[in-house]
Amino acid sequence: AQKITQTQPGMFVQEKEAVTLDCTYDTSDPSYGLFWYKQPSSGEMIFLIYQGSYDQQNATEGRYSLNFQKARKSANLVISASQLGDSAMYFCAIKRGGGNKLTFGTGTQLKVEL
Amino acid sequence: GAVVSQHPSRVICKSGTSVKIECRSLDFQATTMFWYRQFPKQSLMLMATSNEGSKATYEQGVEKDKFLINHASLTLSTLTVTSAHPEDSSFYICSAGGLYTDTQYFGPGTRLTVL
Repeated sequence: AQKITQTQPGMFVQEKEAVTLDCTYDTSDPSYGLFWYKQPSSGEMIFLIYQGSYDQQNATEGRYSLNFQKARKSANLVISASQLGDSAMYFCAIKRGGGNKLTFGTGTQLKVEL
Repeated sequence: GAVVSQHPSRVICKSGTSVKIECRSLDFQATTMFWYRQFPKQSLMLMATSNEGSKATYEQGVEKDKFLINHASLTLSTLTVTSAHPEDSSFYICSAGGLYTDTQYFGPGTRLTVL
């Protein structure tokens, strides 16, 4: 079984600052993928970034980067230069390699302040 | 990213009626579609996985006869909540995955309220 833990139910950050959202995972599979999704108040789930377990480099997508530390089983999301529109719920998820089901964490509510 | 639509976005129905929710992948062939349920301020719970042309695989505790899933084509899956009751009120969200991608792309969700 796979498990995702997000220990920060809520986070605040000032506009233009960087913020790190924590995610740790537990899996016995040697091959897996880690995902981050953003869910604004409107409800849709927006895909942000993906990291494969065998990827040597940390994934980056614009202002989003994934701090992947395999030995520590952590996949923290770093958002640089926060914007007011980044205020949302953020979910970390894991997928077994070769499988297709996602297991989600409990989410972190991020609020960007002026 | 790929575009997934969901219809309706909001539905209110009377207890005992059935409600159908459509999930469409607009710009790619979705070999697999997933249906999730989300209660307020909680995470997404996978209800079932459907592969085009075959029966859906339901997660433990999800009633197959209550939540009917059909995935008749590579671009359309439907979830029918049969004989809906107030406890079925929730946010239902679908996602689609293609054959050559690890990523699931989500629809905008459907908020169901059963009176």
